[in-house]
Amino acid sequence: DTAVSQTPKYLVTQMGNDKSIKCEQNLGHDTMYWYKQDSKKFLKIMFSYNNKELIINETVPNRFSPKSPDKAHLNLHINSLELGDSAVYFCASSQSELADNWRAEQYFGPGTRLTVT
Amino acid sequence: GEDVEQSLFLSVREGDSSVINCTYTDSSSTYLYWYKQEPGAGLQLLTYIFSNMDMKQDQRLTVLLNKKDKHLSLRIADTQTGDSAIYFCAESISTALIFGKGTTLSVSS
Repeated sequence: DTAVSQTPKYLVTQMGNDKSIKCEQNLGHDTMYWYKQDSKKFLKIMFSYNNKELIINETVPNRFSPKSPDKAHLNLHINSLELGDSAVYFCASSQSELADNWRAEQYFGPGTRLTVT
Repeated sequence: GEDVEQSLFLSVREGDSSVINCTYTDSSSTYLYWYKQEPGAGLQLLTYIFSNMDMKQDQRLTVLLNKKDKHLSLRIADTQTGDSAIYFCAESISTALIFGKGTTLSVSS
């Protein structure tokens, strides 16, 4: 039973297209995250979201937008895709926000490899 | 600013101990973490340490924390070929994890 799942696993698309990556967690967690891992394996937080607020990493272009239809889902929409968006995108979730709470262990999805041609 | 630094590569022989080092910048981090990423897979939490501890042992894993120097290390005893992976150090800042660039551990038999 997968805790955090992402679809699709692979996504190949052309520059300029708009695409979405879906994320679902069945852990009952209330905070979800999106991370980007580039070709050098560097991992950076893009967004964190719970039912109270969305925290955006200021370096993320506004072509990226997270959308949460309900507590178990946080989808990532990307408009006008660029070559530099090629990366592996990881979704994660935790019981609560990380600050001062060790129980807020983050569970990661398997990743979506996005290739923009 | 927030920054977590790690050496990028470590190569050891099977049966040896591996020590992966990390330095971080935010002294207010309450917890520090080690994650493992196997090829083509997501991240798996290996262990974490609370900032008021200086050592934590969990089977073959030993985490050492020097809060004064903001230095964290992960020691893997009796390293096996199955330990080959990328190891990420991370600190918790507010609502998310800040990761180091990852150390690729290569274990030869």
